[in-house]
Amino acid sequence: DIVMTQSPLSLPVTPGEPASISCRSSQSLLHRNGNNYLDWYLQKPGQSPQLLIYLGSNRASGVPDRFSGSGSGTYFTLEISRVEAEDVGVYYCMESLQTPKTFGQGTRLEIK
Amino acid sequence: EVQLAESGGGLVQPGGSLRLSCAASGFIFSDSWMTWVRQAPGKGLEWVANINEDGSDKYYLGSVKGRFTISRDNAKNSLYLQMNSVTTDDTAVYYCAKDALTANYPHWGQGTLVTVSS
Repeated sequence: DIVMTQSPLSLPVTPGEPASISCRSSQSLLHRNGNNYLDWYLQKPGQSPQLLIYLGSNRASGVPDRFSGSGSGTYFTLEISRVEAEDVGVYYCMESLQTPKTFGQGTRLEIK
Repeated sequence: EVQLAESGGGLVQPGGSLRLSCAASGFIFSDSWMTWVRQAPGKGLEWVANINEDGSDKYYLGSVKGRFTISRDNAKNSLYLQMNSVTTDDTAVYYCAKDALTANYPHWGQGTLVTVSS
């Protein structure tokens, strides 16, 4: 199984400031079709996970443009250009290349 | 609007069985792969199993293989997870999710809590 490693695990951020979360995979997530099978999810307190970014860099429907994803192969980054209070929660990366699909440990973003 | 509603969770003794259901609406159920993901209390997300459109292909997390069975009834727009020989490690909120063509999960249910305890 592919192992996903996120950092940091805790991320205190001042509103209006940027934030960045990294995710490394134990195997390349680059498919021969040119897509990186790496997704980002946010689980807000008390809610189900919601898809933010798919295939490494594509924002899901309704996701604000302050969220962006980048990276290729085994290293990926989720960036929030200006953190807002509603961005609080746990962020997970997930590889969708193989079965079983595996998630990172999660990064808890909190507001300072 | 896509809606997924899990049910069937509850308290079960170690070694017991439980069947979870997920009622789907708002999309053509028979055209979609479906997945179960779980989350132990205070822990992260864990992919459990998925099933293809007609139920002929099924894949499982190693630790549940041979104990859990994923199935579906396209006539009833429903997804199931039969859980047998459960252990305390199976205690979690179980979510059903609709697969997108790009292999990710844009739609999730609200989850159902399974507690394995004597």
